[in-house]
Amino acid sequence: DIQMTQSPSSLSASVGDRVTIICRASQSISSYLNWFQQKPGKAPRLLIYAASTLQSGVPSRFSGSGFGTDFALTISTLKPEDSATYYCQHSYNKPPPGFTFGPGTKVDIK
Amino acid sequence: EVQVMESGGDLVQPGGSLRLSCAASGFTFNNFWMTWVRQAPGKGLEWVANINQDESEKNYVDSVKGRFTLSRDNAKNLLYLQMNDLRAEDTAVYYCARDLRGYCSTTTCYTGDVFDVWGHGTMVTVSS
Repeated sequence: DIQMTQSPSSLSASVGDRVTIICRASQSISSYLNWFQQKPGKAPRLLIYAASTLQSGVPSRFSGSGFGTDFALTISTLKPEDSATYYCQHSYNKPPPGFTFGPGTKVDIK
Repeated sequence: EVQVMESGGDLVQPGGSLRLSCAASGFTFNNFWMTWVRQAPGKGLEWVANINQDESEKNYVDSVKGRFTLSRDNAKNLLYLQMNDLRAEDTAVYYCARDLRGYCSTTTCYTGDVFDVWGHGTMVTVSS
């Protein structure tokens, strides 16, 4: 099974900061990597799919990059509403399907 | 509005059964794969299972194989998750989501599994 790791597990940053979250896969997953944002008590929200494609309606301050095993989610200018937990997830469906999520990165606003 | 809504969560004893439902609206249900993802209290997200448009392909995480069964009723725009032999470790919020695998919009064709529309979730508690 493909395992996903994220770093850091949590971070605290100020409004206006640039924030980067790293996600690593245990084997190459090409660009089959998605990013989600989840706020407490809410469902996850798709931010980025295929490693770098911004989902419709998501602010352009969010961006994704990477290929193979190493990926990153960047928030260019942190806003108060970005306080949330961020998960990466692989969507490599051959074989066997697992679609493992990373353990999450909690982003707090200072 | 494109949306999905889960129902059926409850408190059930270990070894018991439960059927979750997911009602889809605002999109052509039988054009899409559908998936279930769960989240144990205070924990991260875990993909559970997915199903293709005509039920000819179903995939499950190893921990639920043989106990959980996915089905769908395309005429009623409903997705079901039948859960048998429930265990304490199945306690979680269960989310239904639309899966864009194989779907082509006017601008994009999705080759990977992309979960773009999520419900609010339904809570399943397995406890005596």
